[in-house]
Amino acid sequence: QVQLQESGPGLVKPSGTLTLTCAVSGASIGSSYWWSWVRQPPGKGLEWIGEIYSSGITNYNPSLKSRVTISADKSTNQFSLRLNSMTAADTAVYYCARGDSNNWSLDYWGQGTLVTVSS
Amino acid sequence: DIQMTQSPSSLSASVGDRVTITCRASQDISYYLNWYQQKPGKAPKLLISTASSLQRGVPSRFSGSGAATAFTLTISSLQPEDFASYYCQQSHSTPRTFGQGTKLEIK
Repeated sequence: QVQLQESGPGLVKPSGTLTLTCAVSGASIGSSYWWSWVRQPPGKGLEWIGEIYSSGITNYNPSLKSRVTISADKSTNQFSLRLNSMTAADTAVYYCARGDSNNWSLDYWGQGTLVTVSS
Repeated sequence: DIQMTQSPSSLSASVGDRVTITCRASQDISYYLNWYQQKPGKAPKLLISTASSLQRGVPSRFSGSGAATAFTLTISSLQPEDFASYYCQQSHSTPRTFGQGTKLEIK
């Protein structure tokens, strides 16, 4: 059974940097999938942040591209999201998910973690 | 970016009703269209990938159709557990954009 679990701070100060980690079990992040991040502001819709392939190829949402980095650590079977210059607009539930290698549908998701940007 | 437009944004229906949600893409995305269900406080769940491929374990009352720019999600006979929000997502190109969502409520 594939499981994903996000971890990281629940509170980030304005202008600070968010780092979230997604621990994967039941699958190897070295296998042929797109390991992805999606966020959802409170009461709003879903926003795709970006993805990393097993080979290390990354794709990012241009609206965040200058601030976001996604990386992977095969030794710990985890992948991470780093988002800098945080503002209140970045307050959201952040989800990690697995994307199919052929059609990029997100078939397994973490439970999500709420990140609030506030001083 | 490819814009995804869902309609309606909200929908009231009764148990047993047949409902259809529409998703339109701003350009041709072939069949790279996915549907997700999200219940309050929970992560989205993939229902249908590539426009019409029902995921394992998803009830057969859910179906998807369409291609290019026009897609539909149909629930043939609403059950109490189907009241939730539904999102389409194009996975044809990055950024892999979502529709704004459709909230399905009990009438």
